[in-house]
Amino acid sequence: NAGVTQTPKFRVLKTGQSMTLLCAQDMNHEYMYWYRQDPGMGLRLIHYSVGEGTTAKGEVPDGYNVSRLKKQNFLLGLESAAPSQTSVYFCASSPHRGRKEKLFFGSGTQLSVL
Amino acid sequence: DQQVKQNSPSLSVQEGRISILNCDYTNSMFDYFLWYKKYPAEGPTFLISISSIKDKNEDGRFTVFLNKSAKHLSLHIVPSQPGDSAVYFCAASPPNAGGTSYGKLTFGQGTILTVHP
Repeated sequence: NAGVTQTPKFRVLKTGQSMTLLCAQDMNHEYMYWYRQDPGMGLRLIHYSVGEGTTAKGEVPDGYNVSRLKKQNFLLGLESAAPSQTSVYFCASSPHRGRKEKLFFGSGTQLSVL
Repeated sequence: DQQVKQNSPSLSVQEGRISILNCDYTNSMFDYFLWYKKYPAEGPTFLISISSIKDKNEDGRFTVFLNKSAKHLSLHIVPSQPGDSAVYFCAASPPNAGGTSYGKLTFGQGTILTVHP
């Protein structure tokens, strides 16, 4: 039972490079989220999606884009990476029914931007 | 402006004793609170939650207390075990009227709990 899978697990970028982080969930969840975790800051919401084909901005959306073309996948893109985007990125999902706050998280992507 | 704060970066406890992790919030609109547990190299996992209409919720060794007037919640682990050593995040959610909160959470900074054998 895979749950929420994130790829890649680690990545090093140079300033200005672009990349896409992939999140896949096999639980048929409607809601998906991208968070970033920085030391001393907790987790902060970047973007989220309430269903296939929909996306919305979270607390810290600048510099990121997302797409949800398929229900099971949620992609996070960095068009021109900056050192401030060095962070650990977590994808999460939650079902439509019940409390949506009980999120299921992936194991994270460690991204370093030099 | 940090709306959810965990002021203790770390806590060390002896096995078998009680662990108390604290969390304060400033937004009175929050009405649902959760604790997540995170091991190294893994994502956070849901541990326990409490609605603002309650002041206590228990699940086995874990109890969460909510003091709305003080805007404070705490997680008690009794008895503490070495396997409880992890980072604990508290999180809060605004009202879920009509599903509009969409599960968006505001997290605290986390507290590293170490339980010594």
